[in-house]
Amino acid sequence: NAGVTQTPKFQVLKTGQSMTLQCAQDMNHNSMYWYRQDPGMGLRLIYYSASEGTTDKGEVPNGYNVSRLNKREFSLRLESAAPSQTSVYFCASSVTHPTRLSYNEQFFGPGTRLTVL
Amino acid sequence: EDKVVQSPLSLVVHEGDTVTLNCSYEVTNFRSLLWYKQEKKAPTFLFMLTSSGIEKKSGRLSSILDKKELFSILNITATQTGDSAVYLCAVDYTGTASKLTFGTGTRLQVTL
Repeated sequence: NAGVTQTPKFQVLKTGQSMTLQCAQDMNHNSMYWYRQDPGMGLRLIYYSASEGTTDKGEVPNGYNVSRLNKREFSLRLESAAPSQTSVYFCASSVTHPTRLSYNEQFFGPGTRLTVL
Repeated sequence: EDKVVQSPLSLVVHEGDTVTLNCSYEVTNFRSLLWYKQEKKAPTFLFMLTSSGIEKKSGRLSSILDKKELFSILNITATQTGDSAVYLCAVDYTGTASKLTFGTGTRLQVTL
């Protein structure tokens, strides 16, 4: 099993350009997440998808859109990139069981380092 | 507003020392607290704690949760250079998905 995979690993954009970050998991997990990590800020949740067909905003959703394409794939789109979106982006997935909490560990992908000039 | 605070922000120890990392939280509808280790890549899972007073152990690492005082500690005994990393604390709160609020992390450097 590959776990959680992300593409690309690195990307440089100019202000105003758009791009989509791809994420896929092969663990048959229900829930998927997008985080950004900035120096001194920890990880912050951008958007999440509790199950196939649903998406919800997290802590910092402005400037982003997401698509839960199917159970395996969850993409993050920047429509008009800004320098403030320079960050490392992590995708994660989890089973998410309402009572068996030990199932709710999140597994993270390797990250995408994005620079917006 | 949900909040997770870790201390210290960073520390440097000598190999063989014992360290204690702290995590305090204020969240509504607490469900569990998780510890992750992050080296130069993705966070990797260490522990999940849901009940007060029950210690979780894995080799030289152990962790415990106090739900009354709203904090957790992560202990690492006989530290090794391979323990050098950022240790992240996160709290899961109830909802339709396992949403995590992360602290800013503690950067641990273990020197020879």
